[in-house]
Amino acid sequence: QQQVKQSPQSLIVQKGGISIINCAYENTAFDYFPWYQQFPGKGPALLIAIRPDVSEKKEGRFTISFNKSAKQFSLHIMDSQPGDSATYFCAAKNNYKLTFGKGTLLTVNP
Amino acid sequence: DSGVTQTPKHLITATGQRVTLRCSPRSGDLSVYWYQQSLDQGLQFLIQYYNGEERAKGNILERFSAQQFPDLHSELNLSSLELGDSALYFCASSVAGAVNTEAFFGQGTRLTVV
Repeated sequence: QQQVKQSPQSLIVQKGGISIINCAYENTAFDYFPWYQQFPGKGPALLIAIRPDVSEKKEGRFTISFNKSAKQFSLHIMDSQPGDSATYFCAAKNNYKLTFGKGTLLTVNP
Repeated sequence: DSGVTQTPKHLITATGQRVTLRCSPRSGDLSVYWYQQSLDQGLQFLIQYYNGEERAKGNILERFSAQQFPDLHSELNLSSLELGDSALYFCASSVAGAVNTEAFFGQGTRLTVV
């Protein structure tokens, strides 16, 4: 049973555009929601994370929006750059265990 | 570089064999996590150890086992290997196992079962 649903599976954005990736979860016991970025041949690296008592968190060009009542959260990448091209995973944590979404392959065209 | 070291980077083995994947966590990290990444299943949590003790178990097959040693390095043992076990295996470490603790991932071991 997939507990974190991520969409879209792939995304193509022009340089300077906004990339938006969405995730939805079912388990209300999740209490920490990180986003990871993974480049080919590398392990996932933490990008930004949010707790459910916060509705938005911004770090540079990356913003997480969190809607607790809808059990949804999203990643916005402003002014997307070719160097942002990677696979992005949302995740949710409960009892030490991270449950990942299936990932979104982002391609930013120059 | 995350500071988490995994060896080997690549491993090719035959069905029915047994392999051991090794992980050295970041200095000072007490928790080690193992994940399996495949195209169809994505990143699946296998197991977590904290300071030598098993803390959480995920979708780990009975043919798989892991341990964390007194020096905090960890090994994941995969036995009676099947073609479907071919995947990337990641180790991650964190200071503790608590919520909000960032987990740092290694570069992974790519296992190919032929």
